[in-house]
Amino acid sequence: GENVEQHPSTLSVQEGDSAVIKCTYSDSASNYFPWYKQELGKGPQLIIDIRSNVGEKKDQRIAVTLNKTAKHFSLHITETQPEDSAVYFCAASNGGLTGGGNKLTFGTGTQLKVEL
Amino acid sequence: TGVTQSPTHLIKTRGQQVTLSCSPISGHRSVSWYQQTPGQGLQFLFEYFSETQRNKGNFPGRFSGRQFSNSRSEMNVSTLELGDSALYLCASSLVDSGNTIYFGEGSWLTVV
Repeated sequence: GENVEQHPSTLSVQEGDSAVIKCTYSDSASNYFPWYKQELGKGPQLIIDIRSNVGEKKDQRIAVTLNKTAKHFSLHITETQPEDSAVYFCAASNGGLTGGGNKLTFGTGTQLKVEL
Repeated sequence: TGVTQSPTHLIKTRGQQVTLSCSPISGHRSVSWYQQTPGQGLQFLFEYFSETQRNKGNFPGRFSGRQFSNSRSEMNVSTLELGDSALYLCASSLVDSGNTIYFGEGSWLTVV
């Protein structure tokens, strides 16, 4: 089955700096890669996603890049703010054209702390 | 409105059983369940589409679920063990495969 590794487990940055979280996956059939932000006591909130036919996607301060050859994808947050502090999870799925359903395999999470 | 789950918190005794409920986003027909614990992270339990289980994770048979004709879903855990204490998350998606997946706030289960 799919295995997703995520690094780093903790990340501390100064407000205004950039943050980068990296994930690798094992199943070449995976074609959908979402990122979720989870605040304390809440459920995961989708912040951005990318499909395998796209190499990069950007939404304001957040961007995701995908390298299918190397089987890794990364989350980039620019101009970090204190409210960006949370746990971030990457995930992979082989749904879509392969009809693999909506099963997500998650990374182990990154605790991001944005310091003033 | 988003994915809604109930109850939000509950405490059960070892050996009891529990039923958790999930209402997907309006129009979404796929519902999946995940267990989140500090030690194991987020793990897939099962997924339902059109009242049929499409995928199943590696959990014992004590964990079961079902989906109703209105796409609402329930999951049941029988003979509760201390290790079942976790946040149980429901997620919904518009179609049966490859679409964006949204999560609810979860049901916090404590087994004592």
